[in-house]
Amino acid sequence: GAGVSQSPSNKVTEKGKDVELRCDPISGHTALYWYRQSLGQGLEFLIYFQGNSAPDKSGLPSDRFSAERTGGSVSTLTIQRTQQEDSAVYLCASSTRRTGGPTEAFFGQGTRLTVV
Amino acid sequence: GQQVMQIPQYQHVQEGEDFTTYCNSSTTLSNIQWYKQRPGGHPVFLIQLVKSGEVKKQKRLTFQFGEAKKNSSLHITATQTTDVGTYFCVNNNDMRFGAGTRLTVKP
Repeated sequence: GAGVSQSPSNKVTEKGKDVELRCDPISGHTALYWYRQSLGQGLEFLIYFQGNSAPDKSGLPSDRFSAERTGGSVSTLTIQRTQQEDSAVYLCASSTRRTGGPTEAFFGQGTRLTVV
Repeated sequence: GQQVMQIPQYQHVQEGEDFTTYCNSSTTLSNIQWYKQRPGGHPVFLIQLVKSGEVKKQKRLTFQFGEAKKNSSLHITATQTTDVGTYFCVNNNDMRFGAGTRLTVKP
């Protein structure tokens, strides 16, 4: 695809339910990041995948959060037993590592999650 | 990695005034990137700085990387309403974004 694609764009869920958020990175990008952004706040790092290496999960706020990246491409972020404080925009970004050039991250449009 | 600190958190200017945001790190950075997020949008890459003392310009935007590679700044000359948004700096090695600087411009 032309850019990073995230789905759904909006998700309203009841407290206690599980949700899955999907990210389709740019083809060929080995690095994939998940961030959470609450209203008017900065970007909170959640998790980082790089190629076949073990992911950096140090930003996941609790064990209710998990993420997978299958085949080095599509990633899903799963939030179990959602709480109201999980309401935020979840952003995915991908990038490629190459020598001598910028390695900018390209962001998707995000998934706005509302827990009611 | 260590998250870079950015100031100010908010800045409100009159259209035509200049604006500067600063990033500081307690450790030496190998590189730093700047992103802009428009209200309701997603972050978009602006530039990457790698060399000590590097200065890069994009029209009215001037980016600097400190000699010690521990700080960076973004300066906008003669702000316009299209400059509204949140500007983030980030260490490309860990991609931990901070709170950014939210710029509002009064026409």
